[in-house]
Amino acid sequence: DQQVKQNSPSLSVQEGRISILNCDYTNSMFDYFLWYKKYPAEGPTFLISISSIKDKNEDGRFTVFLNKSAKHLSLHIVPSQPGDSAVYFCAASAERTSGSRLTFGEGTQLTVNP
Amino acid sequence: DVKVTQSSRYLVKRTGEKVFLECVQDMDHENMFWYRQDPGLGLRLIYFSYDVKMKEKGDIPEGYSVSREKKERFSLILESASTNQTSMYLCASSPHRGRQYFGPGTRLTVL
Repeated sequence: DQQVKQNSPSLSVQEGRISILNCDYTNSMFDYFLWYKKYPAEGPTFLISISSIKDKNEDGRFTVFLNKSAKHLSLHIVPSQPGDSAVYFCAASAERTSGSRLTFGEGTQLTVNP
Repeated sequence: DVKVTQSSRYLVKRTGEKVFLECVQDMDHENMFWYRQDPGLGLRLIYFSYDVKMKEKGDIPEGYSVSREKKERFSLILESASTNQTSMYLCASSPHRGRQYFGPGTRLTVL
């Protein structure tokens, strides 16, 4: 039962354009969401998070949007840069049921072409 | 800065061997986690621990065990390695709910 799903295994965009990565979840108890970025042969690094009491959170070129009714979140990167090329994972947690554990999606490979 | 270190970056073992993967964090975090990452499957939780000597099964604990004798150290043990345990193993720690800090990973190959 895949509770967090990233339906696009890969995404390719041109440098300077917007990258939009999507994530869907099924567990209505999830109330905190995170995005991580991973380069090959390195551990994931935290990018940005959002609590379910918000619908948007922004940090520089990165913005995360949360649509609770649709159980959908997205990560926008504007403008995209070649150094953004990596695998992006979304993750979710539910305070009441799972404490500190995170449930991850399958990941989306983003390629930003110069 | 939080630092999570893993004992090996690359490891090659033979089927049936006992394998130890060690993880150390330097920020006095309560929670520690072991994941494996496989293409198309994302990060899957093997075991986690929220206190010394405490452990809980994650989503795929079969074939693995863990040990947490000290707060800063969390070990993953493959009792009898099999080829389907060839994977990238990632350790993480967190002080509380939410953001987890990851180590660099161990690429394990079982022949």
